[in-house]
Amino acid sequence: DGGITQSPKYLFRKEGQNVTLSCEQNLNHDAMYWYRQDPGQGLRLIYYSQIVNDFQKGDIAEGYSVSREKKESFPLTVTSAQKNPTAFYLCASSIGISVYTEAFFGQGTRLTVV
Amino acid sequence: AQSVSQHNHHVILSEAASLELGCNYSYGGTVNLFWYVQYPGQHLQLLLKYFSGDPLVKGIKGFEAEFIKSKFSFNLRKPSVQWSDTAEYFCAVNARAAGNKLTFGGGTRVLVKP
Repeated sequence: DGGITQSPKYLFRKEGQNVTLSCEQNLNHDAMYWYRQDPGQGLRLIYYSQIVNDFQKGDIAEGYSVSREKKESFPLTVTSAQKNPTAFYLCASSIGISVYTEAFFGQGTRLTVV
Repeated sequence: AQSVSQHNHHVILSEAASLELGCNYSYGGTVNLFWYVQYPGQHLQLLLKYFSGDPLVKGIKGFEAEFIKSKFSFNLRKPSVQWSDTAEYFCAVNARAAGNKLTFGGGTRVLVKP
């Protein structure tokens, strides 16, 4: 089945530690995205990538980093510099980043800092 | 700042009642509009989308939305809701003026009482 796989589903991190969230897609999509979902704030864009080896900051990139070494993979690292990392993280992909496209979402990773 | 606004954060209604959720955006130029739904414990999925043509679009599960360009609005409607429509609903806009990034509203939590 084609789709987007995020792992793990739940993640706990101690303060001061970096943690990496995995996102893999087998849809052959060029564009991939990371969003953060907080209650009442909708989904806010962290980073996005239009093509392999290229990515751009979204609206709330501070404290996060990404890489796009392979078309199917777009891991997100939440660094210790992120002041409020506890949230639900969603990965998405689309055919391309042209206007006429829709995004498909993974099931998300819930990160809790303890 | 350019944005997507959803007017209601929470909506509570009874089965068979009509539902209308407001969505306004502030981008000029070419836009594509989406409504996504997130059922409890499930991943975000596309409800309907507008790219061009007839401004009244029909989606899954009896939902429809109307694009009114002059009002920068894309309101979601359903004539008669069911308990299974309990979910969080997100409006999203993909705008050339925003670099084609998919920008979401804050979401509306809908609770349908049986």
